[in-house]
Amino acid sequence: QITLRESGPTLVKPTQTLTLTCTFSGFSLTTSGVGVGWIRQPPGKALEWLALIYWDDDDRYSPSLGSRLTITKDTSKNQVVLTMTNMDPVDTATYYCVHSKMDVWGTGTTVTVSS
Amino acid sequence: DVVMTQSPLSLPVTLGQPASISCRSSQSLVYSDGTTYLNWFQQRPGQSPRRLIYKVSKRDSGVPDRFSGSGSGTDFTLKISRVEAEDFGVYYCMQGTHWPWTFGQGTKVEIK
Repeated sequence: QITLRESGPTLVKPTQTLTLTCTFSGFSLTTSGVGVGWIRQPPGKALEWLALIYWDDDDRYSPSLGSRLTITKDTSKNQVVLTMTNMDPVDTATYYCVHSKMDVWGTGTTVTVSS
Repeated sequence: DVVMTQSPLSLPVTLGQPASISCRSSQSLVYSDGTTYLNWFQQRPGQSPRRLIYKVSKRDSGVPDRFSGSGSGTDFTLKISRVEAEDFGVYYCMQGTHWPWTFGQGTKVEIK
């Protein structure tokens, strides 16, 4: 059974850097074709893809946020980490970790950006 | 970015009646391998999205057969043959052909 779980701070201050960790089980990020990504959803709004990393280190970023994002993987720990710099109140959202097939999602973690 | 446009954005329905949601993309979603990577998701309040349909018309395991997907190129539809109480929520289409993958704005299916 595949599971993913997000973890990280619930509150960050403007201009700070957010670091979120996705810990997964039931699959390996060394398997060909497999990836893990991050999606966010501001309160009451639609879903937005942020970043995706594949088994071969191919990584992709939202063009609108690309310079602020970094996605990395640690296959020994079964984790994917997303960092987002220069946080702003508009970045307040629920952040989801998701398998690249899109068939399994984490439960999400809510991040509020406020001073 | 590929823009995904859903309609309607709000869909009041009566239990037992059919429902249909349209999703149009700003460019063709046919990938170089000939596959169309168009998904449909359901999101109930307070829950993560759940995928219902992938590759336009393939139902995920456990998804009732009252849900069906159709379409091609840039024009896609999700249909619910007879709406049940558990079907209320927000539905999103998403294209996985062109990066960045993009979602529609969402269609809220609610009780009439």
